[in-house]
Amino acid sequence: EDQVTQSPEALRLQEGESSSLNCSYTVSGLRGLFWYRQDPGKGPEFLFTLYSAGEEKEKERLKATLTKKESFLHITAPKPEDSATYLCAVQKTEKLVFGKGTKLTVNP
Amino acid sequence: KAGVTQTPRYLIKTRGQQVTLSCSPISGHRSVSWYQQTPGQGLQFLFEYFSETQRNKGNFPGRFSGRQFSNSRSEMNVSTLELGDSALYLCASSLGGNEKLFFGSGTQLSVL
Repeated sequence: EDQVTQSPEALRLQEGESSSLNCSYTVSGLRGLFWYRQDPGKGPEFLFTLYSAGEEKEKERLKATLTKKESFLHITAPKPEDSATYLCAVQKTEKLVFGKGTKLTVNP
Repeated sequence: KAGVTQTPRYLIKTRGQQVTLSCSPISGHRSVSWYQQTPGQGLQFLFEYFSETQRNKGNFPGRFSGRQFSNSRSEMNVSTLELGDSALYLCASSLGGNEKLFFGSGTQLSVL
């Protein structure tokens, strides 16, 4: 059965304190791995797509990496506005299988 | 460019009733997907439509149904509502290939 597991469930950081979020997956026929950010009361907002092991993508303070079994979202020197729930999803056919997310809180 | 629009934003229904949710995709997008989000289960795939045809369906009972119109707008219907159907229902659109989804803000459904 296809599974996506994210850890930790929740993470509290001080402003400027770098850390990483983990997404491990077991899926056959992976077509892509996606990272989304979701703010309260809103739908998920696209961040990155990764397609093959070894691929990396960066956007501002965020960097996503991919191996054959997991992906990491590295957050460098986070700011309070980075507080959100970060969702990982793997694409299989025309659907996404989501993890339950990591709720990140960055304190000033 | 307008984003994905979902209406209504909030709905309160009672058990046994039925409900219809609406989704207008980004202009030019031909694929519309629906997801259910709950605190316990996270986001779960309901179904996906492309050019008025359902291409993929998740593991939900037949009470959940959908359709897509020729202008790519989509509706989702839930019949005989149960308490467990209370959730945020999210619609997402894309061009239709192996690319990113754009999500709407969702419809928050509460079943009493």
